[in-house]
Amino acid sequence: GQNIDQPTEMTATEGAIVQINCTYQTSGFNGLFWYQQHAGEAPTFLSYNVLDGLEEKGRFSSFLSRSKGYSYLLLKELQMKDSASYLCAVEDSGYALNFGKGTSLLVTP
Amino acid sequence: NAGVMQNPRHLVRRRGQEARLRCSPMKGHSHVYWYRQLPEEGLKFMVYLQKENIIDESGMPKERFSAEFPKEGPSILRIQQVVRGDSAAYFCASSPKTGAGANVLTFGAGSRLTVL
Repeated sequence: GQNIDQPTEMTATEGAIVQINCTYQTSGFNGLFWYQQHAGEAPTFLSYNVLDGLEEKGRFSSFLSRSKGYSYLLLKELQMKDSASYLCAVEDSGYALNFGKGTSLLVTP
Repeated sequence: NAGVMQNPRHLVRRRGQEARLRCSPMKGHSHVYWYRQLPEEGLKFMVYLQKENIIDESGMPKERFSAEFPKEGPSILRIQQVVRGDSAAYFCASSPKTGAGANVLTFGAGSRLTVL
């Protein structure tokens, strides 16, 4: 079966750094994805990790440890517009991405 | 280059009616996925289709739900005899190819179904 866990909610201050964790237990692993979803909008792709280590893309970075079944998304220099849900998803041996319930991030002034 | 187009954006149905949701994938994408998102829940996979073929429907409820992706025209998710529990946001996504790591999905804006 699939089990993808991430915190339900997080709050951080504008300009700060926040780390959103994701742990997973899946049958097969072909990669881990992070998506951002603003309320009422489509999820948009942020990052993809298939090998262990850190992938950096501007203010966003994503880390993966396959042996630990663990990933995190790191957001630096937070802006108000970063308030959104962040979805962790795993590509297993099947055809579709399996998503966690998402972490709702609130950025405060 | 238009993204994934879904319509209608909002749909209201009474119990027992039928709902039809349409999805046109991104240009050049021939793989379509349907997901359902309930309030406070994550995106749940429903079905994966290629042109004229259902590849994986393991997430589809056994009754009342069907999907197609004809040779011409959009993909359609059809829900017959809707019940209140079908109220949700239905997202369509497309990708250009399959294979490990090639599953970067582009999502549409979703169709929000409300069953009265």
